[in-house]
Amino acid sequence: GAVVSQHPSWVICKSGTSVKIECRSLDFQATTMFWYRQFPKQSLMLMATSNEGSKATYEQGVEKDKFLINHASLTLSTLTVTSAHPEDSSFYICSASRLAGRYEQYFGPGTRLTVT
Amino acid sequence: GNSVTQMEGPVTLSEEAFLTINCTYTATGYPSLFWYVQYPGEGLQLLLKATKADDKGSNKGFEATYRKETTSFHLEKGSVQVSDSAVYFCALSAQYNNNDMRFGAGTRLTVKP
Repeated sequence: GAVVSQHPSWVICKSGTSVKIECRSLDFQATTMFWYRQFPKQSLMLMATSNEGSKATYEQGVEKDKFLINHASLTLSTLTVTSAHPEDSSFYICSASRLAGRYEQYFGPGTRLTVT
Repeated sequence: GNSVTQMEGPVTLSEEAFLTINCTYTATGYPSLFWYVQYPGEGLQLLLKATKADDKGSNKGFEATYRKETTSFHLEKGSVQVSDSAVYFCALSAQYNNNDMRFGAGTRLTVKP
């Protein structure tokens, strides 16, 4: 149990376009989902935390108008990178938790975004 | 605040060698401690965890013991295999709040045949 999927696994888009990444909890209901960003050979940096049905909480320095997060159901959260630029190229990883703050996070396989 | 300090890599070992990757933490209370493994091009997979002092997490031949007195959670394996080549992350989540998760910088392990 506790499987989290991400789609797509990799995506290439042109500068100025938007791209949506989906994160799904396949066999449990995720009250809270987290979005991380990982630069090459570096650790994970938390971008935002989203709770089902409410607005996401963004970490300091993360542009909420650029990285739109929607958590409309207990099994799906989406991250939309708007007006993407080459510096947005990165590995994006989501995680999900059954109950905010009380249960461990389960991580998705990640999405590699390349902006040309 | 809470933080994790992890041994810098990269680490290169021969097959069947003994592995230790050091991890120390700073935290208030009793955090939960984790080791995650990331294979090339993939996300994080939980390798093992410990939720209280003196607990030993183990999986796939890897072990780590939660040492409160030394605030450490070192990862060990007695005999590594080529398939263990990956990046290993030490992490902690705050006591009673798994929203607050901190990761170490990661240690890249390469095992040569």
